[in-house]
Amino acid sequence: GENVEQHPSTLSVQEGDSAVIKCTYSDSASNYFPWYKQELGKGPQLIIDIRSNVGEKKDQRIAVTLNKTAKHFSLHITETQPEDSAVYFCAASNYYGQNFVFGPGTRLSVLP
Amino acid sequence: SAVISQKPSRDICQRGTSLTIQCQVDSQVTMMFWYRQQPGQSLTLIATANQGSEATYESGFVIDKFPISRPNLTFSTLTVSNMSPEDSSIYLCSVVWPSYEQYFGPGTRLTVT
Repeated sequence: GENVEQHPSTLSVQEGDSAVIKCTYSDSASNYFPWYKQELGKGPQLIIDIRSNVGEKKDQRIAVTLNKTAKHFSLHITETQPEDSAVYFCAASNYYGQNFVFGPGTRLSVLP
Repeated sequence: SAVISQKPSRDICQRGTSLTIQCQVDSQVTMMFWYRQQPGQSLTLIATANQGSEATYESGFVIDKFPISRPNLTFSTLTVSNMSPEDSSIYLCSVVWPSYEQYFGPGTRLTVT
């Protein structure tokens, strides 16, 4: 089955700096890769996703890149703000919304 | 995106008792799931809640411990039965909709004493 690894497990950056979180997956059949932000006491929130027919997607300060050949994808957050502090999870799935497998998570701290 | 609500938002229960968690969605959705998130951990799929038929459980989860109902396309319940302290977790329902994106509810924080 699918296995998703995520690095780093914790990340601290200064406000205004960029943050990058990387995930690798094992199943070449996976073709949908979402990223979730989970704030303390809340459920995971979908913040951006990418499908395997696209190499990069951007939404304001966040972007996701996908390298299908190497089976890895990354979340990029620019101009970080204290409100970006949260746990971020990557996941891999197929087009049909089945078999979501989540990474172990990255705790991001943005220091003012 | 779909709006998902869960009840209760949190509860403290005694061991040996059962708790039923409700999940309500504001749209009709085919795929609905239940997850467990242990403290500081990632999300683990418990089961797929199938409308009109028995839920499909993942390895390590059984119907006697986690019975699930799905009476229609907008509602589901998860019961945590005969609870022990090891069941203390966040329980999340989710839906996959409309273009196979998955959305989560706010979670139910369960503490078993």
